[in-house]
Amino acid sequence: EAQVTQNPRYLITVTGKKLTVTCSQNMNHEYMSWYRQDPGLGLRQIYYSMNVEVTDKGDVPEGYKVSRKEKRNFPLILESPSPNQTSLYFCASSLIGRTGGNEKLFFGSGTQLSVL
Amino acid sequence: RKEVEQDPGPFNVPEGATVAFNCTYSNSASQSFFWYRQDCRKEPKLLMSVYSSGNEDGRFTAQLNRASQYISLLIRDSKLSDSATYLCVVGYNDMRFGAGTRLTVKP
Repeated sequence: EAQVTQNPRYLITVTGKKLTVTCSQNMNHEYMSWYRQDPGLGLRQIYYSMNVEVTDKGDVPEGYKVSRKEKRNFPLILESPSPNQTSLYFCASSLIGRTGGNEKLFFGSGTQLSVL
Repeated sequence: RKEVEQDPGPFNVPEGATVAFNCTYSNSASQSFFWYRQDCRKEPKLLMSVYSSGNEDGRFTAQLNRASQYISLLIRDSKLSDSATYLCVVGYNDMRFGAGTRLTVKP
């Protein structure tokens, strides 16, 4: 089954304790992206990747790191989480067409992170 | 200026009403256009892609105007189950989201 697998679904942690949210897709998609969603602010892009070893900042990259060592995986790393990173996080992936247009996005189920 | 802007909403309509959402985008090189639906705290789900000639899927009609750089979504005969947030998405290598428009359909 084609899917984006995001783990964990829920995570409670304390300020400063490094954590990683994993994202994996089985569709051989070039494009992967991380978003955070806060009440009233919609989906805001954190980082995205066009392919292996190619990553770029989105709108709100501060406090986050990503890596794309393999095509299927795109983990989100919080080196020193702070309470303002409490949010709902989504990972997504898509194919990129020959003309540069993206195919539809497939989303993970989301990770609700609470930083105390 | 945001890359993708949507009607601020919220929209509160009675069952059976017709409702229209608009979305403008700033990157004229954009190639891909979509409408997604998101229910509270769930992942967004594809409602429909938007093609240059316009397209329809049941009660939903999407239009693209490249010259004016906007896309629209029309929902006819709205149902209670249409209550959700509707997200406009525009892509060229990277996918950009609008902030979303909240729709509530009331009995």
